[in-house]
Amino acid sequence: SAVISQKPSRDICQRGTSLTIQCQVDSQVTMMFWYRQQPGQSLTLIATANQGSEATYESGFVIDKFPISRPNLTFSTLTVSNMSPEDSSIYLCSVDRERTEAFFGQGTRLTVV
Amino acid sequence: AQKVTQAQTEISVVEKEDVTLDCVYETRDTTYYLFWYKQPPSGELVFLIRRNSFDEQNEISGRYSWNFQKSTSSFNFTITASQVVDSAVYFCALKRSQGNLIFGKGTKLSVKP
Repeated sequence: SAVISQKPSRDICQRGTSLTIQCQVDSQVTMMFWYRQQPGQSLTLIATANQGSEATYESGFVIDKFPISRPNLTFSTLTVSNMSPEDSSIYLCSVDRERTEAFFGQGTRLTVV
Repeated sequence: AQKVTQAQTEISVVEKEDVTLDCVYETRDTTYYLFWYKQPPSGELVFLIRRNSFDEQNEISGRYSWNFQKSTSSFNFTITASQVVDSAVYFCALKRSQGNLIFGKGTKLSVKP
């Protein structure tokens, strides 16, 4: 299995500010994924982050709102920019080491006030 | 199109009852992977099982068992002799060829003492 450290685990932020979420993996992985889970809802893919290339965003998500960095094969960040209360969600990173698995970080519970 | 359907939004049982959570999936891939996760109120995703499309054997792990039937595109999950600690939201997910997961909407299980 892969060990994924995601932080912060939770935060309360003021509207209009930005929060950067970090995801550190204990081994090199090609693909990292960022998901959002709005309250009471299922998980939705925000984007796929491959090292050395721009992240690929799903429909409904844009780079200006959710910029992603992937500087190496063990680390990625997701920024939630210019936050509003609608951004209050759990954000999770996930990795796929052998294309048959799916490991998740502990999640970041974000509340925007 | 790929899709995962969990028709049961909420299930409530009394402790020691058996309960089955349904999952129906759609995919055109010949090779695919299915997952079940448990999400307690704390928010993290707890991996329960992964099943590939070539392995139709049912699996049992303690009080948990899974029934995979390709003919009906179903991957159902049964908890035997449920316990209060089983209370959580359970997600069924299908792995896309791109690597990310498509999640069902989840089933909230409440086990009452």
